[in-house]
Amino acid sequence: EPEVTQTPSHQVTQMGQEVILRCVPISNHLYFYWYRQILGQKVEFLVSFYNNEISEKSEIFDDQFSVERPDGSNFTLKIRSTKLEDSAMYFCASSEWASGGIMYNEQFFGPGTRLTVL
Amino acid sequence: DAKTTQPNSMESNEEEPVHLPCNHSTISGTDYIHWYRQLPSQGPEYVIHGLTSNVNNRMASLAIAEDRKSSTLILHRATLRDAAVYYCILPGNQFYFGTGTSLTVIP
Repeated sequence: EPEVTQTPSHQVTQMGQEVILRCVPISNHLYFYWYRQILGQKVEFLVSFYNNEISEKSEIFDDQFSVERPDGSNFTLKIRSTKLEDSAMYFCASSEWASGGIMYNEQFFGPGTRLTVL
Repeated sequence: DAKTTQPNSMESNEEEPVHLPCNHSTISGTDYIHWYRQLPSQGPEYVIHGLTSNVNNRMASLAIAEDRKSSTLILHRATLRDAAVYYCILPGNQFYFGTGTSLTVIP
């Protein structure tokens, strides 16, 4: 069964450093998403991406964050200058395209990357 | 953000049915109702979704009230593997995961 994969599973970085989290969505999917979950808290939407541009973003997704689909398979989340509060589990998800967008299709989530900022 | 209300926690005995309720009194006519779950230390996992009619799949059933202001996720025979946090979501432009219902399955 196709699945979303994420690398690395755990990333440790120093405050102020740049990190890139990588995701390989399911191959025929066209919508891509990033979420984060701080330990013990809710899953929070960060951004959705379709047709090589951001569709929606939350207030969390500020100028420190960016997303990119550098090739036909990868989808990345970059945090330019990490802060302690960026420590969280980051989940990538993908869904098929459907007219009307996300309301009609299930999202498939990856296993997550645990980011620890020291 | 989607406006749903779920109980914080529920318990069920193994191999018994579980009914997980969700209230969404401000639902609009075009809002689909989605259910996801998150097992411990894993990413969210799709369970089921529907618009108006009751829906069944291999994982669960979704019963939607006639006025669509509430819905119930039904697990027909709870197993230990079903212990998870269950989220009822009305996606608008984004998915809003609330606190969900933490389901404990008792052996």
